[in-house]
Amino acid sequence: GEDVEQSLFLSVREGDSSVINCTYTDSSSTYLYWYKQEPGAGLQLLTYIFSNMDMKQDQRLTVLLNKKDKHLSLRIADTQTGDSAIYFCAESIYGGATNKLIFGTGTLLAVQP
Amino acid sequence: NAGVTQTPKFRVLKTGQSMTLLCAQDMNHEYMYWYRQDPGMGLRLIHYSVGEGTTAKGEVPDGYNVSRLKKQNFLLGLESAAPSQTSVYFCASSYSTGQPQHFGDGTRLSIL
Repeated sequence: GEDVEQSLFLSVREGDSSVINCTYTDSSSTYLYWYKQEPGAGLQLLTYIFSNMDMKQDQRLTVLLNKKDKHLSLRIADTQTGDSAIYFCAESIYGGATNKLIFGTGTLLAVQP
Repeated sequence: NAGVTQTPKFRVLKTGQSMTLLCAQDMNHEYMYWYRQDPGMGLRLIHYSVGEGTTAKGEVPDGYNVSRLKKQNFLLGLESAAPSQTSVYFCASSYSTGQPQHFGDGTRLSIL
């Protein structure tokens, strides 16, 4: 079946690194995404990785993909208070006429000053 | 550069009323999607469209209808609103299948 799981909450101190983890079940995923949602706002695409890649780095963000274990992580270096938000992991799988996104339930990142 | 725009941002309805949520995108994307977001459940796909004049059911389509008469617009209709449809509704669009989806800011809908 299609399922994406994330831990519900992560608390870090400003300046530390944050690591948000995600596991998925469908091995036919093509892309895996990280979205950020601030209070009262929509989902902002942070970064994504193609399923044949192991790692992608984009400024303070590092995405690691372990396809064997179906594990995806997002590392935020030098975490700032402005990084406080809910982070959603999503996998893209083919479902009929289009790829569909299966979202996790989101991880609330709280950054303590 | 507006991206994906949803209207209205907030709405309160009584049970049994009808309404239409509008999504507009200015990125010339072929694919458009409607999701609902409920606490503890992430986002679930309601309906989607792979091009002008086409629509298809997603994961939770019951109680909703959609139309894509113009490429840039995707409408979500509730014919007879129910309290179970109280949610935050997000529209998204993408250039093609498998490409990243870009989201609007959401419509917060409460049904009493």
